[in-house]
Amino acid sequence: SAVISQKPSRDICQRGTSLTIQCQVDSQVTMMFWYRQQPGQSLTLIATANQGSEATYESGFVIDKFPISRPNLTFSTLTVSNMSPEDSSIYLCSVTKGQLYGYTFGSGTRLTVV
Amino acid sequence: DQQVKQNSPSLSVQEGRISILNCDYTNSMFDYFLWYKKYPAEGPTFLISISSIKDKNEDGRFTVFLNKSAKHLSLHIVPSQPGDSAVYFCAASAISGGSNYKLTFGKGTLLTVNP
Repeated sequence: SAVISQKPSRDICQRGTSLTIQCQVDSQVTMMFWYRQQPGQSLTLIATANQGSEATYESGFVIDKFPISRPNLTFSTLTVSNMSPEDSSIYLCSVTKGQLYGYTFGSGTRLTVV
Repeated sequence: DQQVKQNSPSLSVQEGRISILNCDYTNSMFDYFLWYKKYPAEGPTFLISISSIKDKNEDGRFTVFLNKSAKHLSLHIVPSQPGDSAVYFCAASAISGGSNYKLTFGKGTLLTVNP
């Protein structure tokens, strides 16, 4: 299965600032996803990162707040913009080479907004 | 509207006994189901999956059962070990319905295995 390097692992940020999270995969993958896990909650899909085109966002998530890039088949970034304390969560990158190959998750970025 | 439900937030079992974690789903388009284990400060780790064409899949101590008519699946861990203590997430996808491979997760069940 793919190996994911997700950075940073954690950060404490001031409200109103932005943070960019990186997801690097050791091999080419078909799909890349970004999830959020708020305290005590499940993993919620933010968007699917599409190579060379705009990401596909889930209901409740918008590009202005969570801009995503995917310049190639092994790398993606998620930016959390104009942060507020409500954005304090764990953000996770996930990849798959196809459903039957399984889905792999990064170790997550624990974000605290103060 | 939660499409994948894990109604037990926690479960405690003795070492060596069976752990049974349950999951219900509402979307009849789901055709692939997965279980993940998550330790604090780590990303979810894949455990086992099952396609809707099967009703059972086994991998070592882990077995997943799928009851399509009841829209229910369960994960059995036998025998349970203290190292199994973690949060277990049930997830589902609907590839044939054009879901773009995305996963829908339940809220998780915290399993504690007592020595």
